[in-house]
Amino acid sequence: GAVVSQHPSWVICKSGTSVKIECRSLDFQATTMFWYRQFPKQSLMLMATSNEGSKATYEQGVEKDKFLINHASLTLSTLTVTSAHPEDSSFYICSARKPQGDEQFFGPGTRLTVL
Amino acid sequence: GQNIDQPTEMTATEGAIVQINCTYQTSGFNGLFWYQQHAGEAPTFLSYNVLDGLEEKGRFSSFLSRSKGYSYLLLKELQMKDSASYLCAAQSGAGSYQLTFGKGTKLSVIP
Repeated sequence: GAVVSQHPSWVICKSGTSVKIECRSLDFQATTMFWYRQFPKQSLMLMATSNEGSKATYEQGVEKDKFLINHASLTLSTLTVTSAHPEDSSFYICSARKPQGDEQFFGPGTRLTVL
Repeated sequence: GQNIDQPTEMTATEGAIVQINCTYQTSGFNGLFWYQQHAGEAPTFLSYNVLDGLEEKGRFSSFLSRSKGYSYLLLKELQMKDSASYLCAAQSGAGSYQLTFGKGTKLSVIP
């Protein structure tokens, strides 16, 4: 199998606080993990590509100091939204790719609401 | 640049066949994915085409023409549970394996 989990599944926080989202590959080692953001009725937008043991590669327009990504092991990547604001409210989805393969396996997503 | 185009919405009748088209312009193209996404949930994998031709998997089939930058997803014997958004995604190669998603086609299956 290829199961990816995310925690938490939803979170509500006050403006100015930081929120950490975990993405885990449960039954395989993920060389690469991806973080996406999806606003209502929009498609998934890639935020960053995370490779184990190295710095994440951010897409144009995504602030790396605001969205901190740590890929400390082959089964865990974390996304920290620092100093969150209401406009950061969105559905954050991670995916993981096996070392041998093209398919990305998606986590169930985390719905962030910033008040 | 990357550009993925697919219809915004489609409606089809239960038991019928529906074809969802997708055109793409992607540098370093390395394959075409189709995902199904129900509201509020993460996408689930449906199909992957890297070579030209038709890939059949049960009620779902996917076609790719690399020369035309065109793909379609064919759903047969539609069921009410097939009501969802269908996302076309083009993969860039050269080691990055990044996916660029289209905006999705919202399919409504009616009785």
